[in-house]
Amino acid sequence: QKEVEQNSGPLSVPEGAIASLNCTYSDRVSQSFFWYRQYSGKSPELIMSIYSNGDKEDGRFTAQLNKASQYVSLLIRDSQPSDSATYLCAVNAGNNRKLIWGLGTSLAVNP
Amino acid sequence: GAGVSQSPSNKVTEKGKDVELRCDPISGHTALYWYRQSLGQGLEFLIYFQGNSAPDKSGLPSDRFSAERTGGSVSTLTIQRTQQEDSAVYLCASSLARSSGNTIYFGEGSWLTVV
Repeated sequence: QKEVEQNSGPLSVPEGAIASLNCTYSDRVSQSFFWYRQYSGKSPELIMSIYSNGDKEDGRFTAQLNKASQYVSLLIRDSQPSDSATYLCAVNAGNNRKLIWGLGTSLAVNP
Repeated sequence: GAGVSQSPSNKVTEKGKDVELRCDPISGHTALYWYRQSLGQGLEFLIYFQGNSAPDKSGLPSDRFSAERTGGSVSTLTIQRTQQEDSAVYLCASSLARSSGNTIYFGEGSWLTVV
């Protein structure tokens, strides 16, 4: 079992819809969770970080964390074509531990 | 500087030559990371620096790869006797420290093509 798993996609949604991206992780002691966006040919950029169970909202983005079920998700409301990218989930198990990356989910928002 | 700076942005080299890739992290960031990403693939961890020391070199794929960091700032990744399978984008990232809550920030990458 991979340490951080994401559906590779592509996930295709129409413009204006909600895109839901999911990530599961295997290490129960994981403490920090990050969502990065990577456009084709570019480097990853941070979208959101979340550390506590529940929801965290930032503009059109909402991160949801459920440590009991070991998943973290990213919701993108009112999806735009400019949101088309690969979304990477990253998980850190604690201080001085390596950040573990998923392989990413490719999102396509269709006009 | 304002962000992580990497050079060169693009490098084409002949098989068998050595290459050096440079990374200048965000000012004040003590942790520095090198990753590799092949076309259409995920991020592959190479090495982590805390200050000038490298407590985690577990991702270096072979002894042709080495890295150093001086003055707690600039890092150089060296690939000796390059092979075609080394072609990838090499991403450098930095964070305030390796504690779990610290976000890492990436540079724009050095695109390496070995011909």
